Amino acid sequence: SQTIHQWPATLVQPVGSPLSLECTVEGTSNPNLYWYRQAAGRGLQLLFYSVGIGQISSEVPQNLSASRPQDRQFILSSKKLLLSDSGFYLCALSQGLGETQYFGPGTRLLVL
Amino acid sequence: GDSVTQMEGPVTLSEEAFLTINCTYTATGYPSLFWYVQYPGEGLQLLLKATKADDKGSNKGFEATYRKETTSFHLEKGSVQVSDSAVYFCALKENDDMRFGAGTRLTVKP
Repeated sequence: SQTIHQWPATLVQPVGSPLSLECTVEGTSNPNLYWYRQAAGRGLQLLFYSVGIGQISSEVPQNLSASRPQDRQFILSSKKLLLSDSGFYLCALSQGLGETQYFGPGTRLLVL
Repeated sequence: GDSVTQMEGPVTLSEEAFLTINCTYTATGYPSLFWYVQYPGEGLQLLLKATKADDKGSNKGFEATYRKETTSFHLEKGSVQVSDSAVYFCALKENDDMRFGAGTRLTVKP
């Protein structure tokens, strides 16, 4: 069965510092991968999705970027964090169009 | 574009009470509908889903019916438990475009 790993689980970073969050998946190949952000008291916002290696689509203009260097690896990055980047970041996968999305355990980021 | 609207929380119930969390959607085509649950400090877990009109999704005593005529997918449970305390998200998926509601926080008190 498929498994989604995210690390770290919790991260506290100062404003202006860089960021790298990693998501890796097991038990599947060629998945669609997604990064969502959940800000405190708010719903989920889709940040990026990827249908394959090196293919990234951005949903909203922002301070973040994403990369997919391998089929089962999806990385969320920032060169300089902002206070507004604080939130709960969720990686998700699906197997193709129209398929159910499954979520990882999430990374809680606090920018101070 | 497609969107999901769910009832605002928080919702506080006593154990064994009946639960309804309303969810309505707008879509251009024929989306699949989902309820996800997020327990404190965790990611989202798929609770149930329905892929076409009149389908009923059910899991762990929760159920929701895909109502095309009212564009709704209300979540119900006949008798809630303290362990059901969580945030519940309604979502729709059309092709590969997924939209979530804002979430409804449920607290069940013993």
